[in-house]
Amino acid sequence: KAGVTQTPRYLIKTRGQQVTLSCSPISGHRSVSWYQQTPGQGLQFLFEYFSETQRNKGNFPGRFSGRQFSNSRSEMNVSTLELGDSALYLCASSPDSGADTQYFGPGTRLTVL
Amino acid sequence: DQQVKQNSPSLSVQEGRISILNCDYTNSMFDYFLWYKKYPAEGPTFLISISSIKDKNEDGRFTVFLNKSAKHLSLHIVPSQPGDSAVYFCAASGGNQFYFGTGTSLTVIP
Repeated sequence: KAGVTQTPRYLIKTRGQQVTLSCSPISGHRSVSWYQQTPGQGLQFLFEYFSETQRNKGNFPGRFSGRQFSNSRSEMNVSTLELGDSALYLCASSPDSGADTQYFGPGTRLTVL
Repeated sequence: DQQVKQNSPSLSVQEGRISILNCDYTNSMFDYFLWYKKYPAEGPTFLISISSIKDKNEDGRFTVFLNKSAKHLSLHIVPSQPGDSAVYFCAASGGNQFYFGTGTSLTVIP
């Protein structure tokens, strides 16, 4: 099976802009979770989608949003970018639940200037 | 508040010796634990898991130990190989989402 894919792999934006990141889960996986990784902070949970519905949400401001399509592909959107949003954004998929073993994509490296 | 902690940011071990990576958690409701390995510019790769009904799980050179009373888990790698050099994350879940530690960078010296 193909793994989790994320596009784009690298992105450079300026403050105030918005960005959309994409994630295609492993075939058959219905749960997609998003994480932000910054140096020294580990992986911070953003949200989880299952069957096109947001099932869990982390402690991030409303500028961070997402959605999931009927084919389980997911997008994450960040509006009004801030310098502190520079990070590696990781997507993970699991068969049914966000509490199943998660399999990660390679991530999207976002740099905000 | 960090519910999963990896207090050692880095660890260096000689090739062939044992690597022990540690992880502590605070939430007694956590019942499923994972270890991931991460190379630079790649996403984390799943290594091994353990549920709270067990205290040990082995997979080849990797063994995870869980001490529920101490809220502590550890990953043992025996023997350590240079290719094991990476950042290791532990993660814990109580059923809704995973909480990750900040990672331990392991360097295996040839």
